[in-house]
Amino acid sequence: EVQLVESGGGLVQPGGSLRLSCAASGFTFSSYSMNWVRQAPGKGLEWVSYISSSSSTIYYADSVKGRFTISRDNAKNSLYLQMNSLRAEDTAVYYCARVARDGYNYVFDYWGQGTLVTVSS
Amino acid sequence: DIQLTQSPSFLSASVGDRVTITCRASQGISSYLAWYQQKPGKAPKLLIYAASTLQSGVPSRFSGSGSGTEFTLTISSLQPEDFATYYCQQLRLTFGGGTKVEIK
Repeated sequence: EVQLVESGGGLVQPGGSLRLSCAASGFTFSSYSMNWVRQAPGKGLEWVSYISSSSSTIYYADSVKGRFTISRDNAKNSLYLQMNSLRAEDTAVYYCARVARDGYNYVFDYWGQGTLVTVSS
Repeated sequence: DIQLTQSPSFLSASVGDRVTITCRASQGISSYLAWYQQKPGKAPKLLIYAASTLQSGVPSRFSGSGSGTEFTLTISSLQPEDFATYYCQQLRLTFGGGTKVEIK
């Protein structure tokens, strides 16, 4: 069974940093591209970042470019999101999501349960 | 950047109704469009990809159509478990604003 479990969320002050993790199991993690998607309270989905299976290709949404860094450790079956210079508008539930297969990078077939990040003083 | 506009943002319907949600892209995206369903407090669930391909395990009452700039998600006979928010997503990864389907 495919499982994605996020962790690392919490309360952080504006300007602070946080590192999210996503532990993957039930599939060959190193063969799949991954994403982070967030959802502010009561709002819609916002794609945040994409990383290919080998980490050779990385994309960011303009809203986080230069502040967030996506990475992965295929040996540990883990995905990460380093978030720096956090702002109030980064407050959201953060989901990790698996890309279904090559050629369908916009298709996210499995999602974690999410981890809440709250940026507030 | 490609923008996705969903309409309506909100719709009220009854069990058994046929429901159609539209997603318009600001420029052509061929058939590179997916649809997701999200229930409160839960992660989104993939329903349809490549505009019209039903994800494994998704009931056949869900269908998708369209290409280029206009796409539709249709639920042929709304069931109680279908009351949720629906999002489209395009090949450049961004999502539409969502359509909330509520019980009339």
